[in-house]
Amino acid sequence: EPEVTQTPSHQVTQMGQEVILRCVPISNHLYFYWYRQILGQKVEFLVSFYNNEISEKSEIFDDQFSVERPDGSNFTLKIRSTKLEDSAMYFCASSGSGRDYGYTFGSGTRLTVV
Amino acid sequence: GENVEQHPSTLSVQEGDSAVIKCTYSDSASNYFPWYKQELGKGPQLIIDIRSNVGEKKDQRIAVTLNKTAKHFSLHITETQPEDSAVYFCAASLHNAGKSTFGDGTTLTVKP
Repeated sequence: EPEVTQTPSHQVTQMGQEVILRCVPISNHLYFYWYRQILGQKVEFLVSFYNNEISEKSEIFDDQFSVERPDGSNFTLKIRSTKLEDSAMYFCASSGSGRDYGYTFGSGTRLTVV
Repeated sequence: GENVEQHPSTLSVQEGDSAVIKCTYSDSASNYFPWYKQELGKGPQLIIDIRSNVGEKKDQRIAVTLNKTAKHFSLHITETQPEDSAVYFCAASLHNAGKSTFGDGTTLTVKP
């Protein structure tokens, strides 16, 4: 079964440093998303991406965040200057079109900001 | 924006019993309602979904019902097994490619 692949699985970074979280969505999917989940809390929407541009973003997704699809396969989330409160699990997801609405999530990247 | 409420937050059942998790949503324009199962250390996994033109959908031991008038939908798991133990999230989407708003999650424990 096709998978969404995320790397790294765990990243520890110093406050103020830049991090890039990487994702390889399912190859024939058209819509890409980043969500985050602070430990024990609900899954929160960050951003959706379609046709090489952001289609929607949440209030969480401020100027410190950016997304990119640098080639035909990767989808990245960059946090420019990490804060302690950015510590969370970050999930990438992709979805198709037509009746294939449902997300396929990756296993996540646990980001710890110290 | 959309608001999704999910109940209960925890649910403990005996193996073989049924489990029901309920969600309500606020935006009547929402038309897609997926359910996800999240096991420890993993991402949410889609287990079943329903669209607003359907009232009920079943897949083996799991079923979802939707009441658009009341703006609520429910997940039903029959003949529960210990491997059903996980956190379950409901979600609602305004359109097929938009963001999903998740409920707070239900921790289901199935006791052998």
